[in-house]
Amino acid sequence: DAGITQSPRYKITETGRQVTLMCHQTWSHSYMFWYRQDLGHGLRLIYYSAAADITDKGEVPDGYVVSRSKTENFPLTLESATRSQTSVYFCASRDSRQLALFFGPGTRLTVL
Amino acid sequence: GIQVEQSPPDLILQEGANSTLRCNFSDSVNNLQWFHQNPWGQLINLFYIPSGTKQNGRLSATTVATERYSLLYISSSQTTDSGVYFCAVVSGGYNKLIFGAGTRLAVHP
Repeated sequence: DAGITQSPRYKITETGRQVTLMCHQTWSHSYMFWYRQDLGHGLRLIYYSAAADITDKGEVPDGYVVSRSKTENFPLTLESATRSQTSVYFCASRDSRQLALFFGPGTRLTVL
Repeated sequence: GIQVEQSPPDLILQEGANSTLRCNFSDSVNNLQWFHQNPWGQLINLFYIPSGTKQNGRLSATTVATERYSLLYISSSQTTDSGVYFCAVVSGGYNKLIFGAGTRLAVHP
């Protein structure tokens, strides 16, 4: 049972480049989320999705794009990376009936 | 928006000691969860506990929703309990889980 996985686990990129972080879950959870974790700011919600083709903004959506063409995948794209987007990114999912949230292992992104 | 405050911010224990972590929130909630982030960064869901008491091994949690707080108890602590414990609540709908700043726990042998 793979659960929820993220790739890559580590990524270094340069300012202005496009970066896509992948998230895949095997539980068929309807809800999926992207959080970023930064010192001094804790965990903040970027985007979430209630089902395939349904997405909505969280607290800090600027500079990010999401899509969800399949239930199991929820990629996060930084269209033009900035240094302020250096962070650890966590994907999470939950069932539509159960509110407990389960996190992936995280992706550490560094933007130079 | 809703405010979530955790205390203490830092805690150092000797192996075998007990501890209580507290989470206060500023408004009524219908969803409260406790997470443990281990030293390798993995976030583990410990409890979904909008009210009442739950136990899982050496860990237990109690939420008193009417008084707007939740407590996480760790008994007979072990070095593997080290890490950061987060409380998170829902505000403005079921999808916006708001996290507290966390309690950093270090358990020494």
